[in-house]
Amino acid sequence: SYELTQPLSVSVALGQTAKITCGGDNIGIKNVHWYQQQPGQAPVLVIYRDNKRPSGIPERFSGSNSGNTATLTISRAQAGDEADYYCQVWDSDSNTAFFGGGTKLTVL
Amino acid sequence: QLQLQESGPGLVKPSETLSLTCTVSGGSISSGSYYWGWIRQPPGKGLEWIGNIYYRGSTYYSPSLKSRLTVSVDTSKNQFSLKLSSVTAADTAVYYCARLLTGDRGWLDFWGQGALVIVSS
Repeated sequence: SYELTQPLSVSVALGQTAKITCGGDNIGIKNVHWYQQQPGQAPVLVIYRDNKRPSGIPERFSGSNSGNTATLTISRAQAGDEADYYCQVWDSDSNTAFFGGGTKLTVL
Repeated sequence: QLQLQESGPGLVKPSETLSLTCTVSGGSISSGSYYWGWIRQPPGKGLEWIGNIYYRGSTYYSPSLKSRLTVSVDTSKNQFSLKLSSVTAADTAVYYCARLLTGDRGWLDFWGQGALVIVSS
């Protein structure tokens, strides 16, 4: 099993930068993916392979991954960014996917 | 644009088998670059990976569900399915189907809208 640890909540002022972390043992050697989930909706992929943005995702969303921590950064936070965010990895040794517990982002 | 749609009973009795089907449209389930997976989310809680299937039938299951789980694929209908046996209230959740990139990639790029399944007598 592989545990991914996220803070339960993160707050950010409107227009400022939010950072959401995802901790895991030597996570820096894994591909980390991030999802945004609005209330009542399915998750949406916002970052894949640590720092790649799918088509249609604003440049304000970026990612990094090193050591034991991966980070999702949301610049110039907007009210519409309020959501739950989940990190995820695929462990190719065990062919198992793991999700972090999720972080609720509040934009003040 | 690829679309996935879950279907199946919204209410299942305890000890019975939960069955869901995911219909894929706008693309072929037989593409070699993808797995097809199930993820669930209990009310108010986080995401839990259930398992994946490749179009040729190879499967990967969550160890915690493996003993009760069967995932199958029907390429002629462009569908894949989930069966979870001996359900309890703890299996109440929104069940999502999704497409997952193969190999070391492993991200879920398209998701269904989700289907709420309640386990109750």
